[in-house]
Amino acid sequence: DTGVSQNPRHKITKRGQNVTFRCDPISEHNRLYWYRQTLGQGPEFLTYFQNEAQLEKSRLLSDRFSAERPKGSFSTLEIQRTEQGDSAMYLCASSLSVSHYEQYFGPGTRLTVT
Amino acid sequence: GQQLNQSPQSMFIQEGEDVSMNCTSSSIFNTWLWYKQDPGEGPVLLIALYKAGELTSNGRLTAQFGITRKDSFLNISASIPSDVGIYFCAGSYNNNDMRFGAGTRLTVKP
Repeated sequence: DTGVSQNPRHKITKRGQNVTFRCDPISEHNRLYWYRQTLGQGPEFLTYFQNEAQLEKSRLLSDRFSAERPKGSFSTLEIQRTEQGDSAMYLCASSLSVSHYEQYFGPGTRLTVT
Repeated sequence: GQQLNQSPQSMFIQEGEDVSMNCTSSSIFNTWLWYKQDPGEGPVLLIALYKAGELTSNGRLTAQFGITRKDSFLNISASIPSDVGIYFCAGSYNNNDMRFGAGTRLTVKP
C-alpha cells in the first residue's frame, strides 16, 4: 500500500492524559500536513512540514500540541493534558512540494477524550 | 474557522440524476480543490483547479474555477449509489493554509 497511513485509527483517553499519533506519508512526498476535523465540519489546518522543518503552525495549535518529523519521513502529533474539546478526527496529508495543493490524506485517527 | 460557504448542506437525489454543488469565498483564491470523504476515512482528492475560468473533468465529475476567483462548482452527472459521501471544497491563496468548506452530504437513492 503506497498511500498515507495513520496509527492508531482510534484512541480513547481520559482527560488530562497525553496522546501521540503517527503518520507515515507517501514515500516520495516531502510535505506533510496535520489537520483536525470535527463532526459536520471540513478539515482545519494545524501545521505542516517540508522535509523535517516545521514551516507553519495554525493559531489552532495550542501549546499543548506538538508535532515532529525528525527524519523527514514519518511524523508524530502529541497532545498533552488532553481536554474534552480535543475530541476530533486528526488527519494527516502529504504532497510533493511542486504540487503542494494536491494533498493526499490518510484515514485519520479518531480521538475521544472522556 | 471556515471561510468558505458550501451549498447545499445536503442533497437527496435519485440514481441517474445530475448533481450540482458550489462553494463561495469572501477572499480570492488561487487554487480550488474538490474532495470526497466516506465515513471513517480521509478525504480523497477529486479535482484540482489552478486558473480562473478553468473547467476540468474527471469521469462523470466536472468542476469550474469561477472567474471572480471567489467561487467554484462541482457537477456530477448520472449519479450512482457509490457517489454517496461528503463533498468538500477547499481553497488556498499562495500559502500552505488550505481552507475547507463544511461539506455537502450527498445521498443517492437507488
